[in-house]
Amino acid sequence: AQTVTQSQPEMSVQEAETVTLSCTYDTSENNYYLFWYKQPPSRQMILVIRQEAYKQQNATENRFSVNFQKAAKSFSLKISDSQLGDTAMYFCAFTQLYNFNKFYFGSGTKLNVKP
Amino acid sequence: DVKVTQSSRYLVKRTGEKVFLECVQDMDHENMFWYRQDPGLGLRLIYFSYDVKMKEKGDIPEGYSVSREKKERFSLILESASTNQTSMYLCASSSGTGEGYTFGSGTRLTVV
Repeated sequence: AQTVTQSQPEMSVQEAETVTLSCTYDTSENNYYLFWYKQPPSRQMILVIRQEAYKQQNATENRFSVNFQKAAKSFSLKISDSQLGDTAMYFCAFTQLYNFNKFYFGSGTKLNVKP
Repeated sequence: DVKVTQSSRYLVKRTGEKVFLECVQDMDHENMFWYRQDPGLGLRLIYFSYDVKMKEKGDIPEGYSVSREKKERFSLILESASTNQTSMYLCASSSGTGEGYTFGSGTRLTVV
């Protein structure tokens, strides 16, 4: 069974600082995709960043980057220069294409960015 | 702009009622999904569909059914609503190419 674990239910960070959200997953497969989604108070889930497991290079999207450690099955999200608009729930997710693209989600980390 | 639209943002229903949650996507995606979101539990898959009239159970299908008569529409049905089905329901669609889900804005259902 595929599981995704986010061990930090809630985190806080000062505006302009850097924060790292943790995620681990469990799978016996070799080819898969990992994602971070953001859910602001407005509830719309937004894709933040995506990583393909066969690519060793860590994905980066502006202020968002990941530290992907395949052997350790770890996929952390780093947010640099935190902004008030980053306040949201963040979900880590895992999928394998052959399995109808079902996603497995972690329980989420609530991030509060303080002014 | 591509979209997944859920017909209701908030719903309040009585115990025992039959409830329909509707989801429509305009991206010609094959795959559509229904999740429920509860605090501390993340998102749990209820049902998904990979083609018209095709459906598969997810991890928590009990008490739910689905319908997909047209490619763009995927409905979640609560046959007899119960208070433990009070939750946020999220619909999503995907092309199955690894690009990720596109989500609807969610329906917060309260069963009283």
